[in-house]
Amino acid sequence: ILNVEQSPQSLHVQEGDSTNFTCSFPSSNFYALHWYRWETAKSPEALFVMTLNGDEKKKGQISATLNTKEGYSYLYIKGSQPEDSATYLCAYNTGTASKLTFGTGTRLQVTL
Amino acid sequence: GAGVSQSPSNKVTEKGKDVELRCDPISGHTALYWYRQRLGQGLEFLIYFQGNSAPDKSGLPSDRFSAERTGESVSTLTIQRTQQEDSAVYLCASSFLGTAHLEQYFGPGTRLTVT
Repeated sequence: ILNVEQSPQSLHVQEGDSTNFTCSFPSSNFYALHWYRWETAKSPEALFVMTLNGDEKKKGQISATLNTKEGYSYLYIKGSQPEDSATYLCAYNTGTASKLTFGTGTRLQVTL
Repeated sequence: GAGVSQSPSNKVTEKGKDVELRCDPISGHTALYWYRQRLGQGLEFLIYFQGNSAPDKSGLPSDRFSAERTGESVSTLTIQRTQQEDSAVYLCASSFLGTAHLEQYFGPGTRLTVT
């Protein structure tokens, strides 16, 4: 993996469904993996920053896991709500102050 | 407290004109980043400031793009002789460089349309 890849590109689920997205990133020179949520016309909002292999983080009904050895992270949303509709971005960087390299995002739409 | 702010929120300009985009980072954040997202593409890095210096300008796509930062605060991104391919949402982010603070906090962006 040379770049950050996210799948699926888009997802349409019903309210109450649980869903998950995948982010693949280069495992060499890894420092941190970031997940952001970006709603239209708003600022991207940081969800998680993870650095350690095996890390799991949770915020409400959203959780994420990290595997730095194989270069992937999963984001899970349990019991999706319409307000969860957004584009979910993952990005990695190679140092504390270094640039973020982003994937193209997973666009989630949750309908009633 | 106040987040990252950017102005203008929208800018429509004619091809060939110069534009300036402004970013006000969170107070006390020493690191500042510019990114952009063109239609159908992911967020791409443009430039990084540490204080008023730019140790990483590797993402600037051409010499028509320049940026400066003053007072370890406000930053402006200038695009000269704009082209249609410069149309994008330009995002600014800032962060505090401490070992426990890795997040980059983003502004709402400036949507630039070059006609």
